[in-house]
Amino acid sequence: NAGVTQTPKFQVLKTGQSMTLQCAQDMNHNSMYWYRQDPGMGLRLIYYSASEGTTDKGEVPNGYNVSRLNKREFSLRLESAAPSQTSVYFCASSERQGVYGYTFGSGTRLTVV
Amino acid sequence: QKEVEQNSGPLSVPEGAIASLNCTYSDRGSQSFFWYRQYSGKSPELIMFIYSNGDKEDGRFTAQLNKASQYVSLLIRDSQPSDSATYLCAVNKSGGSYIPTFGRGTSLIVHP
Repeated sequence: NAGVTQTPKFQVLKTGQSMTLQCAQDMNHNSMYWYRQDPGMGLRLIYYSASEGTTDKGEVPNGYNVSRLNKREFSLRLESAAPSQTSVYFCASSERQGVYGYTFGSGTRLTVV
Repeated sequence: QKEVEQNSGPLSVPEGAIASLNCTYSDRGSQSFFWYRQYSGKSPELIMFIYSNGDKEDGRFTAQLNKASQYVSLLIRDSQPSDSATYLCAVNKSGGSYIPTFGRGTSLIVHP
């Protein structure tokens, strides 16, 4: 049982480049989330998907887009990377939004130079 | 006032002692409360969740919730060096999405 799988684990981008972070879960969870974690800032929600077919903005959505491809997969896209997007990105899933805790993926460490 | 507040620490306790981690929250309507453990360089891992006032025990961990005073605590009994990590408190917002807000975490160091 893999849980939540994120790819890639590490990435270095140049300013202005684009990339997509992939996330897949095999727990049949309905809700999926993207967070970023910065030193001293804690976990901040970028986007979430309460159920397949829906997506909503979180606390810090600017510069990002998401796609809930199916129930298993939720991707995060940076269209034009900026140094301010240097962070650790976590994908998470939960059986039902608001009730149960999250299962987190192992994270993507992104550096934008 | 921050929505979810935690003392950043570090909290240092000797091996075998009880570690007490505290979290206060501002949303009086919050119904669900979570504790996560995060080792350095790793992802957060759910330890416990609690919904009702009082204590909830799971092995060496006890979560305590007091909604009237708007705080939730995590007690770790018989602390081990392997418990050294950052502990994140998360509190669901009331109404609407019920998305949890995370505190910034408390760093715990258990020294032999």
